[in-house]
Amino acid sequence: AQSVAQPEDQVKVAEGNPLTVKCTYSVSGNPYLFWYVQYPNRGLQFLLKYITGDNLVKGSYGFEAEFNKSQTSFHLKKPSALVSDSALYFCAVRDHTGGGNKLTFGTGTQLKVEL
Amino acid sequence: KAGVTQTPRYLIKTRGQQVTLSCSPISGHRSVSWYQQTPGQGLQFLFEYFSETQRNKGNFPGRFSGRQFSNSRSEMNVSTLELGDSALYLCASSSQPGQSTDTQYFGPGTRLTVL
Repeated sequence: AQSVAQPEDQVKVAEGNPLTVKCTYSVSGNPYLFWYVQYPNRGLQFLLKYITGDNLVKGSYGFEAEFNKSQTSFHLKKPSALVSDSALYFCAVRDHTGGGNKLTFGTGTQLKVEL
Repeated sequence: KAGVTQTPRYLIKTRGQQVTLSCSPISGHRSVSWYQQTPGQGLQFLFEYFSETQRNKGNFPGRFSGRQFSNSRSEMNVSTLELGDSALYLCASSSQPGQSTDTQYFGPGTRLTVL
């Protein structure tokens, strides 16, 4: 079974500082990995994905993620955090066996950016 | 392009009743997936539809069902509601399910409260 783990329930960072939200994965075959963000009372917004190719993936709102095959990690990063980045972040892996489209999500990491 | 729309946004029901939630995908998207989000269980996959056919189903009881119409709009139904069915129900659509580059885009969700 494919899975992702987000080891931190909460991450706090000061505005202007770099942020990292961690994700590790366990898959058979090639991993298709995603990051989504959820603001209060809203659905999930797609940030970025890794399918293949460059290990550094750039996404929306200045976010990027680094894919590391040897460490089975896909950490989300941003060079300079904003207060408006405060939200719930989910890492996900897509189970594409048999042509399926099911996403399996991590437990989420609450990011708090403080002034 | 308009995003994924879900109706209603909020719903209050009592135990034993049934409920129907609706999802309209992004124009041109033919795949619709449903997810349940609860504080205790996180985000869990319910089912996926493509071209009016259920392609994949999560580990939920038979009280949870869905369908997709020829215009790709989808509905999910929960019968004999239980308190534990209180959740945010999220719908996601995509254009190329099974393709490596495919991305699911989520709607704002329907908040179901069972009293």
